[in-house]
Amino acid sequence: SQTIHQWPATLVQPVGSPLSLECTVEGTSNPNLYWYRQAAGRGLQLLFYSVGIGQISSEVPQNLSASRPQDRQFILSSKKLLLSDSGFYLCAWSPTNNEQFFGPGTRLTVL
Amino acid sequence: RKEVEQDPGPFNVPEGATVAFNCTYSNSASQSFFWYRQDCRKEPKLLMSVYSSGNEDGRFTAQLNRASQYISLLIRDSKLSDSATYLCAVKRSGGYNKLIFGAGTRLAVHP
Repeated sequence: SQTIHQWPATLVQPVGSPLSLECTVEGTSNPNLYWYRQAAGRGLQLLFYSVGIGQISSEVPQNLSASRPQDRQFILSSKKLLLSDSGFYLCAWSPTNNEQFFGPGTRLTVL
Repeated sequence: RKEVEQDPGPFNVPEGATVAFNCTYSNSASQSFFWYRQDCRKEPKLLMSVYSSGNEDGRFTAQLNRASQYISLLIRDSKLSDSATYLCAVKRSGGYNKLIFGAGTRLAVHP
């Protein structure tokens, strides 16, 4: 069966510091991968998606970037965090062109 | 107007009650529809896909009304454990597998 991992689970970072969040998927190959952010009390905002290694599409201009160095690895990064980057970051994968399945998420607080 | 809209609630219902949520979408070309359940501070989990003919899974029934552009989720015989936020998701037609999520409807089931 397929599983998706994210780490760290929680993170507290100062403004201006760098960020690296990692997501890996097991038990499948060539999945579509997604990064979402959920601000407190808000809906899910799609940040990036990837249909293959090295292929990244950005949904909204922002302070973040994404990379897919391996088939089942998706990384979210920032060079300098802003207060507004705080939120719940969720990685998701989809096997085909339908349902998406989420990882456990990383709760980021920028102080 | 948001592409996918939900009543944020909360819906406060007693155990055993029947409760229904609606989710409206604005893009008539939307292809696929889903309901997710999200517990507090956890990731969304797929509850069920919504098919044109409607579908049922135990106490849960999902319906699609393309003419009026909404999907519904009916929960019968509510349990305390049903307390959560229910997110609807809509897939746009064409392109990659992008899901647009509603902000969610909060359900609180009380004894």
